[in-house]
Amino acid sequence: GQNIDQPTEMTATEGAIVQINCTYQTSGFNGLFWYQQHAGEAPTFLSYNVLDGLEEKGRFSSFLSRSKGYSYLLLKELQMKDSASYLCAVMDSNYQLIWGAGTKLIIKP
Amino acid sequence: GAVVSQHPSWVICKSGTSVKIECRSLDFQATTMFWYRQFPKQSLMLMATSNEGSKATYEQGVEKDKFLINHASLTLSTLTVTSAHPEDSSFYICSARDLTGTEQFFGPGTRLTVL
Repeated sequence: GQNIDQPTEMTATEGAIVQINCTYQTSGFNGLFWYQQHAGEAPTFLSYNVLDGLEEKGRFSSFLSRSKGYSYLLLKELQMKDSASYLCAVMDSNYQLIWGAGTKLIIKP
Repeated sequence: GAVVSQHPSWVICKSGTSVKIECRSLDFQATTMFWYRQFPKQSLMLMATSNEGSKATYEQGVEKDKFLINHASLTLSTLTVTSAHPEDSSFYICSARDLTGTEQFFGPGTRLTVL
């Protein structure tokens, strides 16, 4: 079966760095997405990785290792507004998105 | 970036009535649109995939006669919840995929409450 695993909840301090991990097992691979979702809102796109390595975009970076079925989202200089759920999703061989359950990130002052 | 709109943003209806939710891609053509449902504190659940001009493909456990999907044009898909019941109360989100076939763009969601 297809499976995406990520931690349920994480807590971090304002100004610090946090890494959210995601491991996956899917039938085929056409890229991995990270989305941010605030409570009561739809997800918003953060990053897309299809090749191994690190993609940096401002305070957010995303890493992919296809051989290990592993990705992480790195958030630097955390701000209170970063409190949200972070969803990992993998596009399988049918170009369908397989979603993780999401990681709720709590930022404390 | 690409914009997807949903209408209405929220709706309250009586049990037994039908509710139609519209999903529009405003500045791109979406050959494929997806309908998701999300219950509180849970992840997105894909309900169905709709391709323009053809019947929608429903995920296992989703009743196609209850959740009617129409994708009549490259910019519009509709989801009709027929004979809604309180257990259908949820956050319904659509997304649209452009012709490049990778990223999905999400609408803002529709919060449905059935009394």
